[in-house]
Amino acid sequence: GAVVSQHPSWVICKSGTSVKIECRSLDFQATTMFWYRQFPKQSLMLMATSNEGSKATYEQGVEKDKFLINHASLTLSTLTVTSAHPEDSSFYICSATSRVNYEQYFGPGTRLTVT
Amino acid sequence: DAKTTQPPSMDCAEGRAANLPCNHSTISGNEYVYWYRQIHSQGPQYIIHGLKNNETNEMASLIITEDRKSSTLILPHATLRDTAVYYCIVRSPNYDKIIFGKGTRLHILP
Repeated sequence: GAVVSQHPSWVICKSGTSVKIECRSLDFQATTMFWYRQFPKQSLMLMATSNEGSKATYEQGVEKDKFLINHASLTLSTLTVTSAHPEDSSFYICSATSRVNYEQYFGPGTRLTVT
Repeated sequence: DAKTTQPPSMDCAEGRAANLPCNHSTISGNEYVYWYRQIHSQGPQYIIHGLKNNETNEMASLIITEDRKSSTLILPHATLRDTAVYYCIVRSPNYDKIIFGKGTRLHILP
């Protein structure tokens, strides 16, 4: 089946630093990739939609200058959390839509802890 | 906003069938019903989806009412590994973004 990977699986960083999270579709090309954030005991919240070669579309309330998204190829999207603060600590999950069957496949998530 | 309503939690005895309901009364004629589940600290896992007809795969069965305003996910023989949050999602045919509701937290009791 289609596999989406994320790297790193967990990261701890200091307040004020930036962290980059990678999302890759391993065995398929993705038309679109999505980034979600999930706080403890809450549901997934969509942050942004990312298309290869174009600017990401951010959901209302998500700061585009803080959460930089780069979609470099049909198999790779990155999310950079800039000037991270403790309130950015969360579980970040990406998903990718297959160009073949248009189904959406989710990555395993990245747990970010900002100290 | 999510277009579905699910009970916040349910219990099911191990080995019994788990029946998870979902209301989607505003579903459009060409929208699909999808089910995902999320085991603690993992990404969502696809379970099954359907449009009008009932569907079955190796994981579960999906029963959609004739008016399509509600559906039920059935896990035929629940095990402890089925403990997770189950999300019922309505998805447009243009395969746009998926919006998650609050889901149902399923507890499998030994």
